Amino acid sequence: GAGVSQSPSNKVTEKGKDVELRCDPISGHTALYWYRQRLGQGLEFLIYFQGNSAPDKSGLPSDRFSAERTGESVSTLTIQRTQQEDSAVYLCASSLGYTDTQYFGPGTRLTVL
Amino acid sequence: AQTVTQSQPEMSVQEAETVTLSCTYDTSESNYYLFWYKQPPSRQMILVIRQEAYKQQNATENRFSVNFQKAAKSFSLKISDSQLGDTAMYFCAFMKPLYNQGGKLIFGQGTELSVKP
Repeated sequence: GAGVSQSPSNKVTEKGKDVELRCDPISGHTALYWYRQRLGQGLEFLIYFQGNSAPDKSGLPSDRFSAERTGESVSTLTIQRTQQEDSAVYLCASSLGYTDTQYFGPGTRLTVL
Repeated sequence: AQTVTQSQPEMSVQEAETVTLSCTYDTSESNYYLFWYKQPPSRQMILVIRQEAYKQQNATENRFSVNFQKAAKSFSLKISDSQLGDTAMYFCAFMKPLYNQGGKLIFGQGTELSVKP
């Protein structure tokens, strides 16, 4: 079956602009996660969605970051007023439930000039 | 807070030989999960192996096996008969799932493995 997909694959933007990243989870997966991977680093948790429950936003680094998910479908991560330190690969993962293995998308590489 | 440490930033191995990647973690929890993921240059994170802390038996997946030492908080990955396609960054990850916080993964810094012909 289809895996997790993300778009765009790459995004170059100017400092101060807003960007929107999209994630399509595996069909039937109720849990969805966003992670950030800075160059040469491990992944940092950003936000978690489980069904229609309130998301866990504890990993969002600032109020410029926000994310939405409608039900168990697509999620979008929005970064407002981008800064150079936001440059990173943003990875999305989904799992059947919150104890299950997470499957990752290919990521979006964001470059802020 | 839980932490994951991978003390080997880079490793190399000859094709067909065996290599072991180290991982240690710090937690006060008794029930949790541990994972190894690989990330080739394509940047796709791929699950290699998963271990439940309540299971004493070490997980294996074909050429990949782990040595899980719960008391020592150690979780090493052994790759047997290394292949060129095993060249990748390998990440160790810890998960303590909670319903309202999900199964967020805590990752180590990674070990870059090069398999040489």
